[in-house]
Amino acid sequence: DAGVIQSPRHEVTEMGQEVTLRCKPISGHDYLFWYRQTMMRGLELLIYFNNNVPIDDSGMPEDRFSAKMPNASFSTLKIQPSEPRDSAVYFCASSPRDRGFPVQYFGPGTRLTVT
Amino acid sequence: GQNIDQPTEMTATEGAIVQINCTYQTSGFNGLFWYQQHAGEAPTFLSYNVLDGLEEKGRFSSFLSRSKGYSYLLLKELQMKDSASYLCAVRNSGGYQKVTFGTGTKLQVIP
Repeated sequence: DAGVIQSPRHEVTEMGQEVTLRCKPISGHDYLFWYRQTMMRGLELLIYFNNNVPIDDSGMPEDRFSAKMPNASFSTLKIQPSEPRDSAVYFCASSPRDRGFPVQYFGPGTRLTVT
Repeated sequence: GQNIDQPTEMTATEGAIVQINCTYQTSGFNGLFWYQQHAGEAPTFLSYNVLDGLEEKGRFSSFLSRSKGYSYLLLKELQMKDSASYLCAVRNSGGYQKVTFGTGTKLQVIP
């Protein structure tokens, strides 16, 4: 299996621009997570999906952030408009159906820089 | 809510043993993870404890005490490649698969 795939790996954009991050989870996994990692705040959960349905979006910082999962093999995280404080590494992770051992498998991340 | 505390940084010598502690406070507990993250890379799973006691996996062991809200990760026979951040993460009982991560402990292994 190819693991969790994210694109792009690096994104540099100007303040005010729209940014779209993409994720392909591991085939057969029922859960998909979006995290943001910064030096100051560590790894923060933004939102997670179960069977393509958003379950908990309480970590989404504000209305500028939105996430979708139109099917089991694809999800997007969109920031519009972007701001310099959004600069971070964004990780997508997926997890199989909970059988008491809910390990999350992380993608390589997207390093976002907003200037 | 949840509160997870880990030391920010640690240094240890190649070949030695190091223990990385994690304390947590949560309204409901349903398991604790340890992940390893090398600089510039994604976190990778190391261990999962849901019951009290020690889980051993090769050079790595993880301990949990639910009554004390305490866990540690023990790394034996340290190697240079063990230099990484180690993230403690708690799964609470109300959040299905939701996991809250600590800010991590950056371990530097020196010759």
